[in-house]
Amino acid sequence: QSVLTQPPSASGTPGQRVTISCSGSSSNIGSNTVNWYQQLPGTAPKLLIYSNNQRPSGVPDRFSGSKSGTSASLAISGLQSEDEADYYCAAWDDSLNGQGVFGGGTKLTVL
Amino acid sequence: QVQLQESGPGLVKPSETLSLTCTVSGGSISSYYWSWIRQPPGKGLEWIGYIYYSGSTNYNPSLKSRVTISVDTSKNQFSLKLSSVTAADTAVYYCARDARLEAAGTKHNWFDPWGQGTLVTVSS
Repeated sequence: QSVLTQPPSASGTPGQRVTISCSGSSSNIGSNTVNWYQQLPGTAPKLLIYSNNQRPSGVPDRFSGSKSGTSASLAISGLQSEDEADYYCAAWDDSLNGQGVFGGGTKLTVL
Repeated sequence: QVQLQESGPGLVKPSETLSLTCTVSGGSISSYYWSWIRQPPGKGLEWIGYIYYSGSTNYNPSLKSRVTISVDTSKNQFSLKLSSVTAADTAVYYCARDARLEAAGTKHNWFDPWGQGTLVTVSS
């Protein structure tokens, strides 16, 4: 059972816009920033969005992030076949002595 | 740019200690935090803990009693030890640089870059 809640799957056709949600609580998303990671099949996760809505160098502007209250979203516009991957949200949780927490992951299928 | 590489045994017996090392190249281990993260086959990601280059640590409460993370700045390496392993500890183990800052009471932290990961199987 993951601390952050994501839908297990999402899908879209090429060119479409899809969004993936991530729900948390006041001790994690409500207090701290959210990051998103993309994991292509058989590879290590890669940072996609940090600090809610910042893109690292090299990440296309088709990817965008937002946060409101205790929830966050990742949006992918102009969907491409190479976007088919698992996506994970993550944040710092202030409970206990503090810990990193992840969502369970969303498998994105490009139809 | 900074690259990370995990190394260690791919097979560990139940009740023994899992030991992995992460070697950082292309940059100094100093002035950063460094984390271990694992992913059981077919499942999601779990943060194990971090170490600051000075040696201070923070562990996942669910693993705290069994985890030790250490750093060797002279070798630009940090290491993970997980004791009393069971089959539930079978996973791909990743090391990653843990960028973190705090602004106006809000904590920012993200993992970038990651190592390629190493599969550790717990089996007799």
